[in-house]
Amino acid sequence: AQSVTQPDIHITVSEGASLELRCNYSYGATPYLFWYVQSPGQGLQLLLKYFSGDTLVQGIKGFEAEFKRSQSSFNLRKPSVHWSDAAEYFCAVGAYSGAGSYQLTFGKGTKLSVIP
Amino acid sequence: DAGVTQSPTHLIKTRGQQVTLRCSPKSGHDTVSWYQQALGQGPQFIFQYYEEEERQRGNFPDRFSGHQFPNYSSELNVNALLLGDSALYLCASSDRNSNQPQHFGDGTRLSIL
Repeated sequence: AQSVTQPDIHITVSEGASLELRCNYSYGATPYLFWYVQSPGQGLQLLLKYFSGDTLVQGIKGFEAEFKRSQSSFNLRKPSVHWSDAAEYFCAVGAYSGAGSYQLTFGKGTKLSVIP
Repeated sequence: DAGVTQSPTHLIKTRGQQVTLRCSPKSGHDTVSWYQQALGQGPQFIFQYYEEEERQRGNFPDRFSGHQFPNYSSELNVNALLLGDSALYLCASSDRNSNQPQHFGDGTRLSIL
């Protein structure tokens, strides 16, 4: 069965500083990988996805992530954090089940706080 | 273009009651998945529907059931509610033919007293 580990429960960074959120996954085949962001009381917004191809993927809001198969990792990065980036971030792996469908398994999330 | 819409936004029930949550998928999507997100946790997969049938199911008891209608909208039903069912219930939709990510609604916050 697939699983996702986000080692950092809570991270605090200063506005303008760089950010890296860690994600490790376990899955037997080539994974579909995702990063979602959730603001308090809201649903999940997709930041970026990896299905295949280039291992460095660009997303919205200036985020990027790199897929490293050898390390089973898919870390999220941003060169300069803005106060509006404060939210909870979830890494997810998609297990393909055929007929074009897949189910998502999420990590427990990393809460990001930004100091002005 | 409306995204995924869920109703109601909030709901308060008591133990033992039954509840129905509703989801309308994003236009053009034919697959609906439901997730439960307990406080401080990541979402957990409940089940997935397409072509009006349950296709995949996570590790949830039979008290959780669902339905998908011909217009692709979906319902999640929970019977014999327990305190532990208090959570944010998220609906996600996707198009099986496009290999694109799932889009999430804002969820229904269910509180059990």
